Amino acid sequence: EAQVTQNPRYLITVTGKKLTVTCSQNMNHEYMSWYRQDPGLGLRQIYYSMNVEVTDKGDVPEGYKVSRKEKRNFPLILESPSPNQTSLYFCASSPRAQNTGELFFGEGSRLTVL
Amino acid sequence: AQKITQTQPGMFVQEKEAVTLDCTYDTSDPSYGLFWYKQPSSGEMIFLIYQGSYDQQNATEGRYSLNFQKARKSANLVISASQLGDSAMYFCAMRETFNTGNQFYFGTGTSLTVIP
Repeated sequence: EAQVTQNPRYLITVTGKKLTVTCSQNMNHEYMSWYRQDPGLGLRQIYYSMNVEVTDKGDVPEGYKVSRKEKRNFPLILESPSPNQTSLYFCASSPRAQNTGELFFGEGSRLTVL
Repeated sequence: AQKITQTQPGMFVQEKEAVTLDCTYDTSDPSYGLFWYKQPSSGEMIFLIYQGSYDQQNATEGRYSLNFQKARKSANLVISASQLGDSAMYFCAMRETFNTGNQFYFGTGTSLTVIP
């Protein structure tokens, strides 16, 4: 089944404790990206990647890191989480870069930072 | 300036009636795509419909149609014959593919409630 898989789905952590949210897609998509969803603000793009070893900042990259060493994986790293990073996070992929194709979303990861 | 503007935080519609969800966008890219996604209370993001900036005709997908007015920079979603299962949050989104290297922008969403 074609899908985008995120883990963990739910996480409660404490300020400053490094964490990684994994994202994997099995559709051979070139484009992958991360979003956070907050009430009243919609979805905001954190980082995106147009192919392996090619990443770029979205609208809200502060406090996050990403890497794209393999085509299928695009982990989101919070080196020192803070309470303002409590949010619902989505990973998404799209077939090709430089194309108007839609995003395929993972199921979301709800993160709480205490 | 906001790239995507959805001015209706909440909407109500009677079952079986049609409803229009508003979306305006702002871009200087000559090539872009416009999308609508549905997010039910379970949280997943469901793709509904797509309109390319060069498409001459309005997109339709079953009960969904996108009223694309390029000169006005609007991309309203029309849902015909509303069903109870249409109650959800709806997001308008844009993908710029020329100047900004493939960024996606989302609106703040419209919460639709279908009344029996």
